[in-house]
Formats: sequence, C-alpha cells, structure tokens
Amino acid sequence: SAVISQKPSRDICQRGTSLTIQCQVDSQVTMMFWYRQQPGQSLTLIATANQGSEATYESGFVIDKFPISRPNLTFSTLTVSNMSPEDSSIYLCSVGGGLATGLEGYTFGSGTRLTVV
Amino acid sequence: GENVEQHPSTLSVQEGDSAVIKCTYSDSASNYFPWYKQELGKRPQLIIDIRSNVGEKKDQRIAVTLNKTAKHFSLHITETQPEDSAVYFCAASSEGQKVTFGTGTKLQVIP
Repeated sequence: SAVISQKPSRDICQRGTSLTIQCQVDSQVTMMFWYRQQPGQSLTLIATANQGSEATYESGFVIDKFPISRPNLTFSTLTVSNMSPEDSSIYLCSVGGGLATGLEGYTFGSGTRLTVV
Repeated sequence: GENVEQHPSTLSVQEGDSAVIKCTYSDSASNYFPWYKQELGKRPQLIIDIRSNVGEKKDQRIAVTLNKTAKHFSLHITETQPEDSAVYFCAASSEGQKVTFGTGTKLQVIP
C-alpha cells in the first residue's frame, strides 16, 4: 500500500488565520481524499482532490473555506481558511481505490490535529 | 448517496471471547467494503476488506462476511486480546470512488 507523509502533525492557530496541510504520497495516485474527524466521531469526507481538475466538495464544505491544490499525482494540500474554534479537529488525507488505482484499500496519512484558539 | 449504519457503538468482551460488529449499506452499486481499526491518537489502519464477488474472507483471527442481497456485512474477531481494543470503522464504496464510513464501534477487551 502507499505511504503518505502528512504535515504538520499538529498546530495551534489563532482564529481568523489560515493553515495549509500537505500530503505527499510515495506513488502516483489518481485521487486523493481529505477527511475531517472530530474527537470521538467518524470520518467525514471534505473533498476529493483530482489531479488536473477542480476538487469535488461534499455537502457542507465549500472551496472558499477549504481550498485544495493537486499540482501532480503525488501531492496535495488542504487549506483551512479564516479559522474559527469550530474548525478544531483532526484532518486526514487518504489515497486508494482498490482495483481502480492498483492499491489495496485506502491508506491514510498520520493526520493533522488542529486547535483554533 | 451511500449511507452506512454500524452497530453497536460500544462493545465490551472478555479476553478470549469473540466480537461481532455489523454494518448495513444503502447503495447497491457499492462493491468494496473495507474495515479499519483506529487506536487512540492514531490514523485508521486497514485490517481487512472484501469485494462484492466474495461472501466471506478470513485473515487469522479476523473474518468479514458480506450479504449483498440484504446489504449488510459483518466483522468477526475471535479469541480477542487486549490489543484488539480500539475503534473499528466499516466502510463502503465503489472501486476508485469515495469511501463512506460507518459511525464506529468502540471495542473494549477486558483482560
């Protein structure tokens, strides 16, 4: 399975500022996914980052708040913009897709624990 | 879109007993069903998966069963050990598409 390097691992940010999270994959993948996980909760998909096209956002998430870049097949960034305490969460990137991408299962980055004060 | 329901939300078993977690899905197009284990403060780790052309898959103490007609699948852990304590998530997707996760089951194995 793919190996994903995600950074930063954690950050404490002031409200109103922005944070960019990076994910680097050790192999080329068609799709990368960005998730949010509130403490004690399941994973909620924010968006799918496609190389060469705009990201596809899930209901409740908008590009102005969570802009995503996907400059190549091994890298993506998620920015959390104009942060408020409600954005405090763990953010994870993921790649995979079974037979479609040749990877078994979906692999996750180590996560970014964001605290907004 | 896909909706995945997972039960129970918490499960306590004695060490050595079996644990069963059940999930249902709504989209008949889903054909890939992974299970993840997430330990406290760590990323979800894939522990087993099953595709819709298979009814059962086993890997040592872990097995997953799939009933396509009823749209439900289950995770079975036998001879549970304290290190099995974690949160387990089921999920459903179509190949290469986004994954929809269940709400999670917190498993506690009591020594």
